[in-house]
Amino acid sequence: DAGITQSPRHKVTETGTPVTLRCHQTENHRYMYWYRQDPGHGLRLIHYSYGVKDTDKGEVSDGYSVSRSKTEDFLLTLESATSSQTSVYFCAISEGQESAAGNTIYFGEGSWLTVV
Amino acid sequence: GDSVTQMEGPVTLSEEAFLTINCTYTATGYPSLFWYVQYPGEGLQLLLKATKADDKGSNKGFEATYRKETTSFHLEKGSVQVSDSAVYFCALRWEKLTFGTGTRLTIIP
Repeated sequence: DAGITQSPRHKVTETGTPVTLRCHQTENHRYMYWYRQDPGHGLRLIHYSYGVKDTDKGEVSDGYSVSRSKTEDFLLTLESATSSQTSVYFCAISEGQESAAGNTIYFGEGSWLTVV
Repeated sequence: GDSVTQMEGPVTLSEEAFLTINCTYTATGYPSLFWYVQYPGEGLQLLLKATKADDKGSNKGFEATYRKETTSFHLEKGSVQVSDSAVYFCALRWEKLTFGTGTRLTIIP
C-alpha cells in the first residue's frame, strides 16, 4: 500500500462542466502522476509533478490542467469536460526522491469518470 | 520514442496450463522493465520488475527475464489458477513509465 487515495472514485458529469479529481498521498513522495486508461491504449500519462508547484505535461495533456500546492495533494482538472474524456483516471507516485528508471511507480485505485 | 508491444488478447487458458505473455520494447536508453496486474475494478499492482539485462523478476509464481539482445521481457507462469484472471500490462521506465496496451487473461476451471 503506497498510501494513495483518489477522490471521487466515481463521477458522472455533463459536457462542458469543470471537474476536479484529487489525489492524496501520505508518504511524502516527490513525484506524482496522473494517467488515463482507455481500451486499446493501456495507460497514458496526462501530467506529472516533481515537487510543489512543479509540473509538466505528459503525452495526452490537452484539455487538462494540474496543480500541486502541497506535497501530499495533486489535483487534476478537466477545464470543460467532453465525452472523449470519459475514462478511468489513475494517480500514481514514484518511490524514491529521484526519477530513476529502477524506482517503482505505485498506483491508486482509480477514479471512474463519465461525461454525458 | 520509447514503446512497448505486448501480446494481444484476450487469452483464455485452462487451469494448470502454462502461460506466456509476450512483451517486446523499444528504448533509447537502458530502461527498467515491469509487469503490472489489474484485477477487475481495481488499480494496477506491481507484479514484478527487472532493472538490468539478464535480471529475472519473480513473484507469485510468475517470472520474466530482461533480455537485452531480443529487447524482450516475456511473462511466464508454469501452472495458472483461476485467481490469475486479470489484465496484465508490460511497461518500461526510462524517465517516464510507458505501457503496453494490456493483455486480458481468463483462466477457466
